Amino acid sequence: NAGVTQTPKFRVLKTGQSMTLLCAQDMNHEYMYWYRQDPGMGLRLIHYSVGEGTTAKGEVPDGYNVSRLKKQNFLLGLESAAPSQTSVYFCASIFRPTGRQETQYFGPGTRLLVL
Amino acid sequence: AQKVTQAQTEISVVEKEDVTLDCVYETRDTTYYLFWYKQPPSGELVFLIRRNSFDEQNEISGRYSWNFQKSTSSFNFTITASQVVDSAVYFCALSEGGGFKTIFGAGTRLFVKA
Repeated sequence: NAGVTQTPKFRVLKTGQSMTLLCAQDMNHEYMYWYRQDPGMGLRLIHYSVGEGTTAKGEVPDGYNVSRLKKQNFLLGLESAAPSQTSVYFCASIFRPTGRQETQYFGPGTRLLVL
Repeated sequence: AQKVTQAQTEISVVEKEDVTLDCVYETRDTTYYLFWYKQPPSGELVFLIRRNSFDEQNEISGRYSWNFQKSTSSFNFTITASQVVDSAVYFCALSEGGGFKTIFGAGTRLFVKA
């Protein structure tokens, strides 16, 4: 049981390049989220998914796209990277059972530097 | 619009002291959720608790306790008998309505000295 994994752990991009960040969970959770964390700040929600085949915008969706073709994977894409997207990206997988306490699991993060 | 304020930027305590981290929120919704997270120096994120707006009962989990007061729009977090391992940044967060879009506070950095 690996929990939540993120690939890659670290990446350097040049402005204008594209890349995809992969988040994978093996807990059969419906909800998956992508956040970014900038220095000295809390997390900001980029996009989220409440189930396979569904995605929705969060607080800061511009410049990012997502897909959830398989329940266990949530992909975050940067079509044309900008220096403002330099950040640490965290994925979360959430178990929200009816009538019971929610639990959330985070991936280890992906550090992205855009030059 | 929703907003979370963690006015304490940094707190320093000596081991075994009790410490309370403040969280004040703003929302126009009657249904909302409040969260606390921990981020140790290693950088990982740890979910601690979710509380919904209809449940004002205080929560206790070991040395951790949470005090939710709608009258003051606060959801404070207390660590009893702090330990060095409690040193971390703690984030409070709020989610309105269905509980999907979560807004985080800026965090409080807690230093626990031996």
